[in-house]
Amino acid sequence: GESVGLHLPTLSVQEGDNSIINCAYSNSASDYFIWYKQESGKGPQFIIDIRSNMDKRQGQRVTVLLNKTVKHLSLQIAATQPGDSAVYFCAENWDNYGQNFVFGPGTRLSVLP
Amino acid sequence: DGGITQSPKYLFRKEGQNVTLSCEQNLNHDAMYWYRQDPGQGLRLIYYSQIVNDFQKGDIAEGYSVSREKKESFPLTVTSAQKNPTAFYLCASGTSDTQYFGPGTRLTVL
Repeated sequence: GESVGLHLPTLSVQEGDNSIINCAYSNSASDYFIWYKQESGKGPQFIIDIRSNMDKRQGQRVTVLLNKTVKHLSLQIAATQPGDSAVYFCAENWDNYGQNFVFGPGTRLSVLP
Repeated sequence: DGGITQSPKYLFRKEGQNVTLSCEQNLNHDAMYWYRQDPGQGLRLIYYSQIVNDFQKGDIAEGYSVSREKKESFPLTVTSAQKNPTAFYLCASGTSDTQYFGPGTRLTVL
């Protein structure tokens, strides 16, 4: 398989349970955040984004929470399924320039049957 | 993967060789990016281009070169000057904020 994701923190959850993946971001000036999902051997897939004027945003089975006070971002996945197994990483940006994205190393989510 | 394609999926290079990774997008995005992904690390920016015929170095540009002759295409050349080229290379395109990624090319130096 793809070597991306070696030495990453791993979260193991039972199928059907909710998952919470956390991300600490670095720049207090960051005002835009994205969560990506990366399956083994594939490119990252956009999941959900949030801007700094929001604390919470919901998508289909996913919710992103933003705590600007402690520079923390979380991704909640409801009713986790085997297809959710992947590496999840966050990205932060400021001043709307794409070259200023900073990507976290990611967390590996493993869904147990 | 959307409308971004990368080829080849796997690439093997002998030491001293230059190799070129292809990236094409049909999303009509002005901006395109090349990243390198290593185990346990976040993506690192190699080069980016905000418009045709213009590109800028990212954080780890040494040993790499790019061109942007067409809006749809942003090829990356890994030169022999890159001392540790074995990695997963990701191309992205996007608007001013959001980025969408291609499927990646795995480069291995033999």
